[in-house]
Amino acid sequence: AQSVTQLGSHVSVSEGALVLLRCNYSSSVPPYLFWYVQYPNQGLQLLLKYTTGATLVKGINGFEAEFKKSETSFHLTKPSAHMSDAAEYFCAVSGRAGGTSYGKLTFGQGTILTVHP
Amino acid sequence: ETGVTQSPTHLIKTRGQQVTLRCSSQSGHNTVSWYQQALGQGPQFIFQYYREEENGRGNFPPRFSGLQFPNYSSELNVNALELDDSALYLCASSSQTSGLAGGEQFFGPGTRLTVL
Repeated sequence: AQSVTQLGSHVSVSEGALVLLRCNYSSSVPPYLFWYVQYPNQGLQLLLKYTTGATLVKGINGFEAEFKKSETSFHLTKPSAHMSDAAEYFCAVSGRAGGTSYGKLTFGQGTILTVHP
Repeated sequence: ETGVTQSPTHLIKTRGQQVTLRCSSQSGHNTVSWYQQALGQGPQFIFQYYREEENGRGNFPPRFSGLQFPNYSSELNVNALELDDSALYLCASSSQTSGLAGGEQFFGPGTRLTVL
């Protein structure tokens, strides 16, 4: 079974500061990894994903994440926070293509990001 | 390209009633997944439909059931509603035949269900 742990249910940063949201996963084989963002009263929007290849993945809105197999981590970063980044962020995993859990997402509990002026 | 749409946006029901939620998948997608997001939690996988057949189910009781139609739209039905069923129900569509996409799912805005 797969699981996802997001460390810190709330993260607060100042505008212009580094954003670091932590995600660790548990899986018998390296899964596919995703970060989604959810704005109030809206659905989920994909920020970035890792499936194979380069372990540093760049996404939309200046976000990036690095897959570290040895640490079973997929932390999300952004060098400089903007007020518009305030939202809830979810890390998720799914099984790889060909497996029974392919295309079925397991989510973490979410991290609410607050950006102060 | 039309995105994923869901209806209704909000719904209020009483305990014991039945509810049907609807989802239209994104153009070109053949797979629909449903998730339940309780307040303050991450979404939880309910089930997935691929080519009109259930293709995997999460830890939800049988009173949660679904359908997928030939045009790949989908319904989620919940019988005998309980207070704990109050949540945001998210539908996501994807292309199961495209392994290169990594199973990327595109989410609709959700249906907010309140059970009184």
